[in-house]
Amino acid sequence: DQQVKQNSPSLSVQEGRISILNCDYTNSMFDYFLWYKKYPAEGPTFLISISSIKDKNEDGRFTVFLNKSAKHLSLHIVPSQPGDSAVYFCAATLSNSGYALNFGKGTSLLVTP
Amino acid sequence: KAGVTQTPRYLIKTRGQQVTLSCSPISGHRSVSWYQQTPGQGLQFLFEYFSETQRNKGNFPGRFSGRQFSNSRSEMNVSTLELGDSALYLCASSLSFLAGGVARELFFGEGSRLTVL
Repeated sequence: DQQVKQNSPSLSVQEGRISILNCDYTNSMFDYFLWYKKYPAEGPTFLISISSIKDKNEDGRFTVFLNKSAKHLSLHIVPSQPGDSAVYFCAATLSNSGYALNFGKGTSLLVTP
Repeated sequence: KAGVTQTPRYLIKTRGQQVTLSCSPISGHRSVSWYQQTPGQGLQFLFEYFSETQRNKGNFPGRFSGRQFSNSRSEMNVSTLELGDSALYLCASSLSFLAGGVARELFFGEGSRLTVL
């Protein structure tokens, strides 16, 4: 049973515009959320995270928003760059479960020049 | 600083065989996790080891097992392989189990791609 869902398999955005990637979760006990980026033939790399005590976390061009009541989080990339083209995975976990991350199936982002 | 190293990178097995995959974590990292990535199911948690002890286990059958050695290196084993075990197996390491609310990054290797015929 998929507890973390990324309903958009793919997204195409023009360079310089905002990319918004969405993620929904079903387990209200999740209290820590992460985004990973994956290029072909490489392992996923950590991008940004957010604790459930916050509703926003920002790191440079990347911002993650958390809406606990809607069990929804989103990743904003502003401005988008061609090098951002990759598959983005949303993950959620219980902070007392160590590294047992529940991943979504990913959204493939294509940033066109 | 060397990253997470997984061997072998690619392998082909037939149904009923068994396979062992190896993972060397980043130096100093004591937690090692394993994930299975398939097109249909995405990334699924297999198990996590810390100081040679399995602390978390995902929802996989007993054919999937693992262990961690005193130098933090880890192996996972899949016995009696099935066609559905064809996947990319990713190992990830991290510094510690709990990090007091600080971002707890997992550092992933490039994976071992297993094909079962």
